[in-house]
Amino acid sequence: AQTVTQSQPEMSVQEAETVTLSCTYDTSESNYYLFWYKQPPSRQMILVIRQEAYKQQNATENRFSVNFQKAAKSFSLKISDSQLGDTAMYFCAFMKQTSGTYKYIFGTGTRLKVLA
Amino acid sequence: DAGVTQSPTHLIKTRGQQVTLRCSPKSGHDTVSWYQQALGQGPQFIFQYYEEEERQRGNFPDRFSGHQFPNYSSELNVNALLLGDSALYLCASSLLGVGTGFTEAFFGQGTRLTVV
Repeated sequence: AQTVTQSQPEMSVQEAETVTLSCTYDTSESNYYLFWYKQPPSRQMILVIRQEAYKQQNATENRFSVNFQKAAKSFSLKISDSQLGDTAMYFCAFMKQTSGTYKYIFGTGTRLKVLA
Repeated sequence: DAGVTQSPTHLIKTRGQQVTLRCSPKSGHDTVSWYQQALGQGPQFIFQYYEEEERQRGNFPDRFSGHQFPNYSSELNVNALLLGDSALYLCASSLLGVGTGFTEAFFGQGTRLTVV
């Protein structure tokens, strides 16, 4: 069974600085997807960035980028130029689609606080 | 586009009672998944519905059941409520029709269920 581990329960960063959130996962699959979701106090899970395992190039979305190390099963999120609006819970998630169905497996989350 | 909508937003029930939560998927989506998010934890997969059938189920007891209607909306039913069922229940929708491949799952804002 797949597992996702986020070892940093809480982190803080000064506004405009850079922070990296860690995530490791365990799977025997070779093709899968990895995600970072943001959950603000409004509770809605918002997709931050997505990585297909077959792609060697790390995904980037504006200030957000990932460091995907497939052999090490590591998937960290880097937030550059942190903004107050980045304050939220961040969840790393694994997804494998098989036989017309799929499910997300989430880590326990990292609470990020951006300080003014 | 209203996105994924869930109702009600908050609910308080007594132990032993039954509850029904509702989800309307994002326009154009045909698949609905339900997740339970306990306080301080990541979401846990309950089950997924596609073509009005349960396609995959997580490690949840039979007290948790669901339904998908022809318009793709879905209900989650929980019988004989326990204190431990108190959680945020998230609905996620996506398009999983034949030939569409993977599409991003969109989450609703959840229903906060409190069992007293």
